[in-house]
Amino acid sequence: DVKVTQSSRYLVKRTGEKVFLECVQDMDHENMFWYRQDPGLGLRLIYFSYDVKMKEKGDIPEGYSVSREKKERFSLILESASTNQTSMYLCASSLFRLANTGELFFGEGSRLTVL
Amino acid sequence: AQSVTQLDSHVSVSEGTPVLLRCNYSSSYSPSLFWYVQHPNKGLQLLLKYTSAATLVKGINGFEAEFKKSETSFHLTKPSAHMSDAAEYFCVVSESGAGSYQLTFGKGTKLSVIP
Repeated sequence: DVKVTQSSRYLVKRTGEKVFLECVQDMDHENMFWYRQDPGLGLRLIYFSYDVKMKEKGDIPEGYSVSREKKERFSLILESASTNQTSMYLCASSLFRLANTGELFFGEGSRLTVL
Repeated sequence: AQSVTQLDSHVSVSEGTPVLLRCNYSSSYSPSLFWYVQHPNKGLQLLLKYTSAATLVKGINGFEAEFKKSETSFHLTKPSAHMSDAAEYFCVVSESGAGSYQLTFGKGTKLSVIP
């Protein structure tokens, strides 16, 4: 089974702190994604990466950056956390282009609270 | 541009009765359509997908969905609800050939199953 592991399930941070969310997948997938999930808004794409050291902005990249130094690892960085970034963050990976299969494999999420 | 509308934010059914979760989509190209399920405190899992083959698609756990181009709909059904079906369900669209790395998620429908 594909496993996508998000290292932190629950985090509490202070406004202005730098936050790292880590994601590791074990199936050699080319593509990795970070989504934000908020009640009533569904999932919104923050950033994605289709190769090592490559990144593309999604729908809501402001206030976030990402890093993909190794194929299996994709990190989401909040340079200066703000209260409006309190949310559930979901990492996902896929082998193929999504238009063909649509299959994303998700981690269990990291719930971030910014005080 | 592609979009998806889930017509109900919350659906409640009794165990053993049919389930209907409604989804309408908008797409400029030939769409691929998917349903994902999210159980409490878990990541999302692909339930089923339509990618221009048979219009009636069968998924896991007895769910199925029918692609109706004339109605731009992709409703999810199950003949008999089980307690384990209680979860949030997301309808998702991807446009073939355009933005192939991106999926557009609906805002979700929370399904409650009453014993």
